[in-house]
Amino acid sequence: GIQVEQSPPDLILQEGANSTLRCNFSDSVNNLQWFHQNPWGQLINLFYIPSGTKQNGRLSATTVATERYSLLYISSSQTTDSGVYFCAASLGGSSNTGKLIFGQGTTLQVKP
Amino acid sequence: KAGVTQTPRYLIKTRGQQVTLSCSPISGHRSVSWYQQTPGQGLQFLFEYFSETQRNKGNFPGRFSGRQFSNSRSEMNVSTLELGDSALYLCASSFFGSDYEQYFGPGTRLTVT
Repeated sequence: GIQVEQSPPDLILQEGANSTLRCNFSDSVNNLQWFHQNPWGQLINLFYIPSGTKQNGRLSATTVATERYSLLYISSSQTTDSGVYFCAASLGGSSNTGKLIFGQGTTLQVKP
Repeated sequence: KAGVTQTPRYLIKTRGQQVTLSCSPISGHRSVSWYQQTPGQGLQFLFEYFSETQRNKGNFPGRFSGRQFSNSRSEMNVSTLELGDSALYLCASSFFGSDYEQYFGPGTRLTVT
């Protein structure tokens, strides 16, 4: 099945710094999502981005499907950005329906 | 529009017991997927239901089962609980399946003692 790998596993930043999180996937995907897991465990949707570039405030994401990677950019980081960031991908087809494969996550700590 | 809801939020059970978790999807969403999150294994797919039918299943033992009702609400059941079943259980809803954006509920944190 598809492999999803995230890097770096851990990241420590000073408030105001920029960061780039990377997600590599081993096969062509029909779905690629980025999530932020809050301290209570809920996965908050950041981007649905199987291809292309999207921006939402200080966050933006780019997926280059042909090269099988996605990047999440966080600019001017704030302490509230701290937490675990996951990317998740899905292949198409009936045998993969409803199934997201998650990376191991990047734990981000933003220091004041 | 209300988000995905899960009940209960926290649960403590004893080994050997069984447990039922509930998930109500976003209105209009027909697909519900379930995931287990543990520190060692990360987030793993359990199964997906659509129109009251299980369409896909992950690599979990038969003690893990689920169902979906006509209003798209879903339940999952774990029988004969083991210590290793302690985890955060998350459900996600989408309009039609994983090709569409999935939205997650707050999760049920299960502790097995």
